[in-house]
Amino acid sequence: NAGVTQTPKFRILKIGQSMTLQCAQDMNHNYMYWYRQDPGMGLKLIYYSVGAGITDKGEVPNGYNVSRSTTEDFPLRLELAAPSQTSVYFCASSYEGGPWHEQFFGPGTRLTVL
Amino acid sequence: AQKVTQAQTEISVVEKEDVTLDCVYETRDTTYYLFWYKQPPSGELVFLIRRNSFDEQNEISGRYSWNFQKSTSSFNFTITASQVVDSAVYFCALLFSGGYNKLIFGAGTRLAVHP
Repeated sequence: NAGVTQTPKFRILKIGQSMTLQCAQDMNHNYMYWYRQDPGMGLKLIYYSVGAGITDKGEVPNGYNVSRSTTEDFPLRLELAAPSQTSVYFCASSYEGGPWHEQFFGPGTRLTVL
Repeated sequence: AQKVTQAQTEISVVEKEDVTLDCVYETRDTTYYLFWYKQPPSGELVFLIRRNSFDEQNEISGRYSWNFQKSTSSFNFTITASQVVDSAVYFCALLFSGGYNKLIFGAGTRLAVHP
């Protein structure tokens, strides 16, 4: 199993550009999450999904959109990139029924908006 | 409200010293889970331990140990005989029951272990 994969690893955007951060998991997890980590800070939840077709906002959703058309994929869309979106983005997945509720994290995408 | 506080922003020790990283949490739920993650300079998140709210037993894994005290809402992490490879940012996180397994992270503690 590859676990949780994210692409790209690094990206530099200009202000106003758009992009999609890709996330995929092969563990058949129904829960998926997007977090951002600003320098010197902990992770904050952007959006999450509890299954295909179901998404909801987290703590910091402004400036982002998500979709979940399949169990495996959970892309994060940035529209009109702003310098405040410079961050490291982590995708994670989790199994609803497990007793331990552990989240499995991808390697992260480092995004810089100039 | 759910909250995790890691009051120590940075800690610097010399190799072989023992070091304790503090974590204080807030939740009104009676069922919850606490986690520690390590983030080495390479940037990935490495799972270290989980503890559920009904299990207050302390745990030891090699040089790592964790002290969970519900009375003080704390879940502290001790590294015994620290090594340079322990240098990383350490995050404490809270997961509350019924929250779709969402994690609430503390701000992290950066540990620097010097030779």
